[in-house]
Formats: sequence, C-alpha cells, structure tokens
Amino acid sequence: GDSVTQMEGPVTLSEEAFLTINCTYTATGYPSLFWYVQYPGEGLQLLLKATKADDKGSNKGFEATYRKETTSFHLEKGSVQVSDSAVYFCALSELSGNQFYFGTGTSLTVIP
Amino acid sequence: DTGVSQNPRHKITKRGQNVTFRCDPISEHNRLYWYRQTLGQGPKFLTYFQNEAQLEKSRLLSDRFSAERPKGSFSTLEIQRTEQGDSAMYLCASSTRVDTEAFFGQGTRLTVV
Repeated sequence: GDSVTQMEGPVTLSEEAFLTINCTYTATGYPSLFWYVQYPGEGLQLLLKATKADDKGSNKGFEATYRKETTSFHLEKGSVQVSDSAVYFCALSELSGNQFYFGTGTSLTVIP
Repeated sequence: DTGVSQNPRHKITKRGQNVTFRCDPISEHNRLYWYRQTLGQGPKFLTYFQNEAQLEKSRLLSDRFSAERPKGSFSTLEIQRTEQGDSAMYLCASSTRVDTEAFFGQGTRLTVV
C-alpha cells in the first residue's frame, strides 16, 4: 500500500542555517506529493505541492522536487528563520484513492 | 467562507460519555475527510465522504465511531462510550479532488478523563 517515510526529528538549527528534511514514498500509481506545516495547537497548512515527476513546488522560501526515480520529495530551505519553527509533514495522494497518507512529521526548532 | 471550520476546538469528557464534533468544509468542496492525530504522530485516516456518501472507512473507525454528512454539507463525527484511548486531535479536511491539496480545519482536541 501507499506510505510516506520522513526523517525523524527533532531538528534544531540556528537562524539562517540550511534546512533539509528527507521524505520518501511508496505508491502504487502516480501520486501527488505535498508538504504541510503544523504550528502548535493548530491544524495543518499546505506549504507546497507537486503533482508530477520533476515538478518543483515552492513557497515562502521552501522548495521540494518530485523525484520519481528515487521516490523522494525532500524539503529544503536555504536560510531558516525562528518563525519556521513548526512540525513538517510529507504527504501523498493518488487519483485512484480516497485519502491522503502522511508521514510521522519532523519537528523543527530554529534558535536565534 | 474563509476555510474549514471545526467545533468545538476543545472537548473534555468523562470516560463513557458520548461526544459529537462538527466540521464545516469549504463550501464548493465535495470531498470531506476525518483524520485522527496523536502526539508526535502524523494524521491517521478515519473516513472519507464524497458529497453525502461515506465511501471509505478506516479500520481505526471502531463501532463506537460514526460519521455523517447530511446533504453533502457539514459533517459530524460521534464517539460513543468514550475511552481514554480516544484522546487525540480530530482533524477535518476538504478538497475538490483527491490529487489536489486538502484544506484542514484547526481540529478538535478531545481529552477523555
């Protein structure tokens, strides 16, 4: 079945450091891929998405490229800020399916 | 219509009581999902509606859980005879298609004491 595996945290970085959070997936078809962000006590907000191979999703300085050959969708940001501190979830969905599959989440803390 | 709305935001109940949560999706979204999230975990799928039809249910959705979406608008999730293990965040989401993003509400945090 479909699944998402993402890098375990927590991750602690200094402000302006480079961020990478790894995500790999297993899917039976051709999924759409997403990164969601969750702030404490809140629901999930879409950060970025990619719907086909080699697509790059980007938003607020974050980027992720859909790599079909390595079944990966790693999240990157060149210079993190304190306000980026949150939990990040990688997710997938398939056109033939009825749900979104989420990874376990990676907690990021950015210190000044 | 600014997004998915869930009520209540927080619910504390005694073990054995019944609770009901409400979700109002984005109005033009015909797909609605319920997820459950516990501390340190990603959201786990509970059930899915397309319009008023409940098309898929997870094994996580025991007999004590029931969900409805009358007239394909808002949805309710009821838990009967709550147990301490039901304590979690219950998230509702809606979308137009399964291969586009789902929009999540802020969730209902249930604490069973």
